[in-house]
Parts: sequence; structure tokens; C-alpha cells
Amino acid sequence: NAGVTQTPKFQVLKTGQSMTLQCAQDMNHNSMYWYRQDPGMGLRLIYYSASEGTTDKGEVPNGYKVSRLNKREFSLRLESAAPSQTSVYFCASSGRNEQYFGPGTRLTVT
Amino acid sequence: GQQVMQIPQYQHVQEGEDFTTYCNSSTTLSNIQWYKQRPGGHPVFLIQLVKSGEVKKQKRLTFQFGEAKKNSSLHITATQTTDVGTYFCAPAISNFGNEKLTFGTGTRLTIIP
Repeated sequence: NAGVTQTPKFQVLKTGQSMTLQCAQDMNHNSMYWYRQDPGMGLRLIYYSASEGTTDKGEVPNGYKVSRLNKREFSLRLESAAPSQTSVYFCASSGRNEQYFGPGTRLTVT
Repeated sequence: GQQVMQIPQYQHVQEGEDFTTYCNSSTTLSNIQWYKQRPGGHPVFLIQLVKSGEVKKQKRLTFQFGEAKKNSSLHITATQTTDVGTYFCAPAISNFGNEKLTFGTGTRLTIIP
């Protein structure tokens, strides 16, 4: 039982490049989330998915797209990376109450 | 939108001293969760509070939910080096499966051995 897994762990992009962050959970949870964490800013919700086939914007959705591929997987895509997107990205899933977080992806955009 | 303030932002304590972090909301909350994040790690769920005035304990940790359900606190008695990390409060916006949480900015606790 791996919980929530994320790939890659680290990534460096140049401005304008694109990439997709992958997230998968094996707990049969309906809800999945993408957060970004910047120093001193706590965790900010980018997008979430309450169930397979649905996605909704969070607090900071601009510059990102998401896909809920199936119940297990929820991906986050940066179409044209910007330095302001340098951050640590966490994926999370939840059943009824608490959220379970993945180990995070540390992304640097130069 | 909902504003969540967490104070203090940083706290340095001697090992064995107590520690408290406070979470204040501008609106009445349906419930609130607390998470801990170790340095370099990911947030880990600690507890959820639902009822007005609720108090829950986990060993040396005591969690309280205010009577008006607008504030909450986490108190650690006799801190240990294993308590190092950042503590986040996370109020839920609705009762329906806690679909969206708003995380506070966190309180970073460091312990002086």
C-alpha cells in the first residue's frame, strides 16, 4: 500500500518549457488535490477533483491544467513554465475526512 | 474569501518547554483539521475538530476548537526534539466530505536541545 505517489521528485525547467506532474493513489479515494507550497505562504490549492471526471479551480489555478485520468490518477500540467511557478508541489487525496499527501515535487523554473 | 491567520509564524523553545500555536478565522468554521510537516517532508494529518468548544488530546498534544468556531489552538506540553516541524491548521469550507481546505501559513517550531 504505497498511499500517494508523485513523479518526478525534482525538476528544473527553463522558462516557456512544459511538463506534467503525475500523481497516483491506491486508497480508492474519490477526492484528489494539487497544492503548491512557497516559503512563508503555507499550502495553496491549485485544483481539486471531487470525483472521477470532475475538476474544479482552487485558489491559484492560473497557468495550470489538470486531468483526472481515472479514480487513481490526477495530473498537473504546466503548459509554459514561468519563474513564478518555482515551488514545491504536493498532491493529496481524501476519503471522508483527512487528506493524505504525496512526497512532493520540487520544481525550479529558471 | 475565507481568511485564516496562524500565529506565531516561528517559535523557538528549549526542549521541555511548552508550545502553543493559534489559528484564527474571519468566518465561522464547520470544522478544522491540523497537520504537521517535518522539515523536508509532506503534511501529515493530526486531528479534526468539529464541535463548538471541543477539546481533544493526543499524548502531549491538546487541540481546542473555540466556542464560536472561529478559532482553534494546538498546545504541546514538554516539547521533545521529535516535535520539530511546521504545524498547519486547515479549516474546511463545507461539511460535505471536507472537499476543500484552506491552510493557514503555519507555525514553524524549532527545539533547542
